[in-house]
Amino acid sequence: AQSVTQPDIHITVSEGASLELRCNYSYGATPYLFWYVQSPGQGLQLLLKYFSGDTLVQGIKGFEAEFKRSQSSFNLRKPSVHWSDAAEYFCAVVAGTALIFGKGTTLSVSS
Amino acid sequence: NAGVMQNPRHLVRRRGQEARLRCSPMKGHSHVYWYRQLPEEGLKFMVYLQKENIIDESGMPKERFSAEFPKEGPSILRIQQVVRGDSAAYFCASSPNSLTTNEKLFFGSGTQLSVL
Repeated sequence: AQSVTQPDIHITVSEGASLELRCNYSYGATPYLFWYVQSPGQGLQLLLKYFSGDTLVQGIKGFEAEFKRSQSSFNLRKPSVHWSDAAEYFCAVVAGTALIFGKGTTLSVSS
Repeated sequence: NAGVMQNPRHLVRRRGQEARLRCSPMKGHSHVYWYRQLPEEGLKFMVYLQKENIIDESGMPKERFSAEFPKEGPSILRIQQVVRGDSAAYFCASSPNSLTTNEKLFFGSGTQLSVL
């Protein structure tokens, strides 16, 4: 069955430092992959998605993600984190007719 | 263009009562998805509907839960005889086409259900 694993439950990064959030997927064919962000008490906002083509995907708010088939990974990166990036981040894969989400990584930003 | 609208934002029910959660998709969207979120559990898929049809209900509990998306009006997630374990945030999402066509989901702000 398709699944998504986010190995890090909680990450703390200093403001201005770089960020990488890990995501591993299990899927037989070429996956459709997404990263969403959720602020407290809010719904999810799409950061970026990968369907095909260039394996380095640019998203909103300065985020990017790289699809690596050999590692079954779709890690999210940002070169310089801002305090407003503190939130929960979810990786997801299309499985059948719906999106299947990982359990999320909570990002804290320290000053 | 309003986003996905969910109401109420907060719903309190006593054990044994019924909970009805409403979701109005974005204009032009005919595909609706319901998810449940528990702390540290991420979002769990419940059901996928198109107008008047349930496409995939593989994530729905077998009893007490039902969903509909009528030709007119919002999608409704209905939980009968609620129990404390039903307490969670319920999110609705919509899309204009199915996810396999390079689409994405637009999410509402959720309904927080608390069962006393």
